[in-house]
Amino acid sequence: AQKITQTQPGMFVQEKEAVTLDCTYDTSDPSYGLFWYKQPSSGEMIFLIYQGSYDQQNATEGRYSLNFQKARKSANLVISASQLGDSAMYFCAAFFSGGYNKLIFGAGTRLAVHP
Amino acid sequence: SQTIHQWPATLVQPVGSPLSLECTVEGTSNPNLYWYRQAAGRGLQLLFYSVGIGQISSEVPQNLSASRPQDRQFILSSKKLLLSDSGFYLCAWRGGQPNTEAFFGQGTRLTVV
Repeated sequence: AQKITQTQPGMFVQEKEAVTLDCTYDTSDPSYGLFWYKQPSSGEMIFLIYQGSYDQQNATEGRYSLNFQKARKSANLVISASQLGDSAMYFCAAFFSGGYNKLIFGAGTRLAVHP
Repeated sequence: SQTIHQWPATLVQPVGSPLSLECTVEGTSNPNLYWYRQAAGRGLQLLFYSVGIGQISSEVPQNLSASRPQDRQFILSSKKLLLSDSGFYLCAWRGGQPNTEAFFGQGTRLTVV
């Protein structure tokens, strides 16, 4: 079955440093899309970045970039110059070509940014 | 602009009571609609999704059901709540293109006592 795996339950990083949050996925579909979301303690879900399986370049959005390694089926999120406000849960999500309407999520990684 | 409304924000219900959570979307038509449940400190479990009126896909067999009586309305229901139904319920909508992100409501924190 198609699934998303986030193996880091918790991570911490010093303010102003970069951090990588891991995400791997399991699919044999050639077409899929990958997302990253941030969930602060308030519970809201904030979209960060999207990567399509056919995109030639890694996606970037401000301090967020996605390290997409298709052969390894990984889509790691890199946050540069961490800020205290980056402390939150981070979720990797995906749809697969068998049903792009079906959006599934990983278990999440809790990131703590230390001053 | 598109907005999504989900209510109530907080709900405490006794075991065995019914449940109805409502989600409505404004500013778009024919959205894909989703219900997720999140246990404390855990990931989002997809419960139901819908690509159109009356079209519901169920991901988890349990005592919950979903309905889409109108294009931009998605309802999560239960006839008899269980303790295990406690959690944070999130409604989301998404456009028809594959590369579009999902937009989430503010969530309902349900406690079954």
